[in-house]
Amino acid sequence: DVKVTQSSRYLVKRTGEKVFLECVQDMDHENMFWYRQDPGLGLRLIYFSYDVKMKEKGDIPEGYSVSREKKERFSLILESASTNQTSMYLCASSREVANYGYTFGSGTRLTVV
Amino acid sequence: QQQVKQSPQSLIVQKGGISIINCAYENTAFDYFPWYQQFPGKGPALLIAIRPDVSEKKEGRFTISFNKSAKQFSLHIMDSQPGDSATYFCAASMRSNDMRFGAGTRLTVKP
Repeated sequence: DVKVTQSSRYLVKRTGEKVFLECVQDMDHENMFWYRQDPGLGLRLIYFSYDVKMKEKGDIPEGYSVSREKKERFSLILESASTNQTSMYLCASSREVANYGYTFGSGTRLTVV
Repeated sequence: QQQVKQSPQSLIVQKGGISIINCAYENTAFDYFPWYQQFPGKGPALLIAIRPDVSEKKEGRFTISFNKSAKQFSLHIMDSQPGDSATYFCAASMRSNDMRFGAGTRLTVKP
């Protein structure tokens, strides 16, 4: 069964901490994405990557960065966590060819206190 | 700025009824329109998708209706079941690399 695995289901971090959210996919997908999900706002794109070492900003990149050193792994970094970054974070991957659906991980619920 | 607008925010339907969720988009360059289903504690999962060269796609009890001129599409769930209770997201994309999601609809199907 193909999978996108997010390393943590729940995280509690303090304001100002540097936070790493890890995502690994086993489908050899070229594209990977990070979204945050908030009630009433749906899924908002933070960053995405089409290939190793490359990254593109999504709609809400402020306060975040990403790293993709290997094809299967895409990390989201909160440089200095703030309470407004408390959210559900979803990682997804997709094939390179046009218009195939995303496969999502189960999400990481991050609380910043 | 939400590129895909989804309504209603929540929906309650009796078992056996029809659930209808609507979405509207602005960018005419979108050419792929999927619907995702999310159960509590899980990530969204692809349910059904349509491309703008057809006006309707049906898979079992789930149907997408697509109106290109109005820039609208909708999800119809026939014979709704309690197991369909979930949050549904519509989305739109170009070449799978600009997927934009609606705000979501929480569907409750009462037994």
